[in-house]
Amino acid sequence: QKEVEQNSGPLSVPEGAIASLNCTYSDRVSQSFFWYRQYSGKSPELIMSIYSNGDKEDGRFTAQLNKASQYVSLLIRDSQPSDSATYLCAVKLSQAGTALIFGKGTTLSVSS
Amino acid sequence: GAVVSQHPSWVICKSGTSVKIECRSLDFQATTMFWYRQFPKQSLMLMATSNEGSKATYEQGVEKDKFLINHASLTLSTLTVTSAHPEDSSFYICSAPLALSSYEQYFGPGTRLTVT
Repeated sequence: QKEVEQNSGPLSVPEGAIASLNCTYSDRVSQSFFWYRQYSGKSPELIMSIYSNGDKEDGRFTAQLNKASQYVSLLIRDSQPSDSATYLCAVKLSQAGTALIFGKGTTLSVSS
Repeated sequence: GAVVSQHPSWVICKSGTSVKIECRSLDFQATTMFWYRQFPKQSLMLMATSNEGSKATYEQGVEKDKFLINHASLTLSTLTVTSAHPEDSSFYICSAPLALSSYEQYFGPGTRLTVT
């Protein structure tokens, strides 16, 4: 069974700090990795996608992928209270048309 | 970015009745859509893959006769919860990729179903 593991948290960081969110996955053939943000009572919102080993930066967000270790992470720099949400790691298998497999999410709390 | 809509955003129904939820891709065509269910404080669980013009593919443990899926056009998929029970109360969310080969999926705003 394909699995995506995340620490449920909560992860608490002060405003302005770097938040580090981690995710591991079990299926070696996975090719595409995503981070979604979900506010309470809302649906997930795509914030980052990464397909190749290394880092990908977008504003305050940096996704890091290490396929050999089957590990993907999300760094949020200069964390803001508005970043407080649940962050879902999602993995897509290599087959076209397949759905995403989600981790249980990490709850981030940024205190002002 | 791509927009996916859902209707209704919330619904309350009585036990034993049926509820239909619509998922629309507003600015792109979606041959495939996905239906997820999320219980409080839990992650999204894939229920089924909706395929335009063919039968839906259901995940293990999801009753296809209870959760009817119809993908009649390239922009519309519907999920009907038949003979709803209180344990069906949940947050139902659909998603769609921009194209079959696209890896990024966009989610609708979700439908909160409460069965009394």
